Amino acid sequence: QVQLVQSGAEVKKPGASVKVSCKVSGYTLTELSMHWVRQAPGKGLEWMGGFDPEDGETIYAQKFQGRVTMTEDTSTDTAYMELSSLRSEDTAVYYCALKWLRSRRFDYWGQGTLVTVSS
Amino acid sequence: QSALTQPRSVSGSPGQSVTISCTGTSSDVGGYNYVSWYQQHPGKAPKLMIYDVSKRPSGVPDRFSGSKSGNTASLTISGLQAEDEADYYCCSYAGSRWVFGGGTKLTVL
Repeated sequence: QVQLVQSGAEVKKPGASVKVSCKVSGYTLTELSMHWVRQAPGKGLEWMGGFDPEDGETIYAQKFQGRVTMTEDTSTDTAYMELSSLRSEDTAVYYCALKWLRSRRFDYWGQGTLVTVSS
Repeated sequence: QSALTQPRSVSGSPGQSVTISCTGTSSDVGGYNYVSWYQQHPGKAPKLMIYDVSKRPSGVPDRFSGSKSGNTASLTISGLQAEDEADYYCCSYAGSRWVFGGGTKLTVL
């Protein structure tokens, strides 16, 4: 059974960066493709980016290009999402979402990490 | 990439059926048979309900079904139950990228 456990809530000031982690258990990251999805308060889901096994690289949504970095530590099966130059509109719950390499669906989700950006 | 279009809300009585639509373009919904649907209860993470347009993961009741025609996908829930009350999101693969719908709130009357 694959489980994803994310790091705890964060409060950041505008202009700062935040790094959220997502620990995978029950399987290894090398067999899976990690993605990140966020949800602003009262709003819908928004795909931020993830690993594309066909290209062998991480793809970012255009909206976040230049501001987001997604990395993985395969030795600990932990993925990270770092978002920089935070603004109030980045206040959201950030989810890690996992899919099998060749599938086109997000089978597993973390519990979510609330990031609050406030001065 | 614009969000897929879903109705803001739908409602139905227990035992009835409801259908939620999800409209995209030929670059996403219409271009691939990779539409998935997620159920989200308040304060919880999304849960996969339908994938590849019409397939159900194990454990999802067969009351949930999916279909697609052109650039519009649909989720139908038959035999509505109280626990089906939640937000529902469609999602489409769009060639190395993914796009979600704006979400639909299902109310069971």
